[in-house]
Amino acid sequence: QQQVKQSPQSLIVQKGGIPIINCAYENTAFDYFPWYQQFPGKGPALLIAIRPDVSEKKEGRFTISFNKSAKQFSLHIMDSQPGDSATYFCAASRFQGAQKLVFGQGTRLTINP
Amino acid sequence: GAVVSQHPSRVICKSGTSVKIECRSLDFQATTMFWYRQFPKKSLMLMATSNEGSKATYEQGVEKDKFLINHASLTLSTLTVTSAHPEDSSFYICSARDLHRDTSAETQYFGPGTRLLVL
Repeated sequence: QQQVKQSPQSLIVQKGGIPIINCAYENTAFDYFPWYQQFPGKGPALLIAIRPDVSEKKEGRFTISFNKSAKQFSLHIMDSQPGDSATYFCAASRFQGAQKLVFGQGTRLTINP
Repeated sequence: GAVVSQHPSRVICKSGTSVKIECRSLDFQATTMFWYRQFPKKSLMLMATSNEGSKATYEQGVEKDKFLINHASLTLSTLTVTSAHPEDSSFYICSARDLHRDTSAETQYFGPGTRLLVL
């Protein structure tokens, strides 16, 4: 029940394309869903996050879509650039309390010029 | 923005020695810090939750006598890998929660990680 399943494992997109990364969770107590971007040899950095009270959130070129009934959420990157090439992790946690993040398996995204 | 630092960034040690990794919140106070372990091309695995002034809470399967965690102040937590062996080689990452923000999960900031190689 604590798992967060992320797909695909790797993704290659041409510059300007819209990569989409999907995550599914099981624990209905989760009410905070962040996405992190990680470059090689660095710690993860928060990209964007969503709460279940909205179905979509946009920040710049990054959009999260959230489907509460399906217990799924996804990250869309608009007008993708080679600099977006990184590993992306979705995560889930309770918004309050211990706030232990459960991470997905990660997606290695490559944006070709 | 809030900054979390880790020291050292990389460390190589001989098998059997102990290694200490520091995690510091540079511009905020953190009552809670988390320690993660990440294998190459793998996800982050939570090892323990570190609370200032109290004992750390370890996740199932993590040896607390192997991975000693101390959170002596609101800006510093340390992870000591005792009697390190090659299988302990990994990327260790900490995160810290900002005490003074409201209790929202967005206030969890990650450090840059420490690469440990045990020979």
